Amino acid sequence: AQKITQTQPGMFVQEKEAVTLDCTYDTSDPSYGLFWYKQPSSGEMIFLIYQGSYDQQNATEGRYSLNFQKARKSANLVISASQLGDSAMYFCAMREGRDNQGGKLIFGQGTELSVKP
Amino acid sequence: GAVVSQHPSWVICKSGTSVKIECRSLDFQATTMFWYRQFPKQSLMLMATSNEGSKATYEQGVEKDKFLINHASLTLSTLTVTSAHPEDSSFYICSATSGTTPAAYEQYFGPGTRLTVT
Repeated sequence: AQKITQTQPGMFVQEKEAVTLDCTYDTSDPSYGLFWYKQPSSGEMIFLIYQGSYDQQNATEGRYSLNFQKARKSANLVISASQLGDSAMYFCAMREGRDNQGGKLIFGQGTELSVKP
Repeated sequence: GAVVSQHPSWVICKSGTSVKIECRSLDFQATTMFWYRQFPKQSLMLMATSNEGSKATYEQGVEKDKFLINHASLTLSTLTVTSAHPEDSSFYICSATSGTTPAAYEQYFGPGTRLTVT
């Protein structure tokens, strides 16, 4: 069975500094996708970044990058130059199977990030 | 980007009554929709997966007779909480995917519905 683990319930970072949010996963499926979502206090789920299991390079989206270490089964999110608006809950998620199979997402426990001015 | 809406955004109902939550994909056809439940300060827990025109697949431990899911068209799925009780109070979120466009891998989430049962 697939599993996603986020071991940091809460993190603090100083504004303008970088922060890494940890995520490890477990699956026996060779095809899978890894996602990071941001959930502010409003509750909406904001898609940040995606990494496919066969992607050779680490995904990047603006200030977000995903440090994908396949052998270690880790998919850490790196946020560069933190902003006050980055304060939110962050969830790592995994989907087994190929992209177009519409598979379900399983979420980690979440990490609450607080950015200090 | 693709937009998913939910209605209502919040609802208060009395114990024993039923409440229906709608999830709509506004600008794409959603072959698959998912329903999640989230308690305060906790993660999203998948309740069920619904494909258009077929019965929903419920996750282990989710009562299918209590949480009725209907995916009647490619743009609409509904979740009905029947005979609601205070323990059903939660944040319910839907997501939708087409498996193709806008992005094959992505699920698009609705804004969520906050249900309070009194």
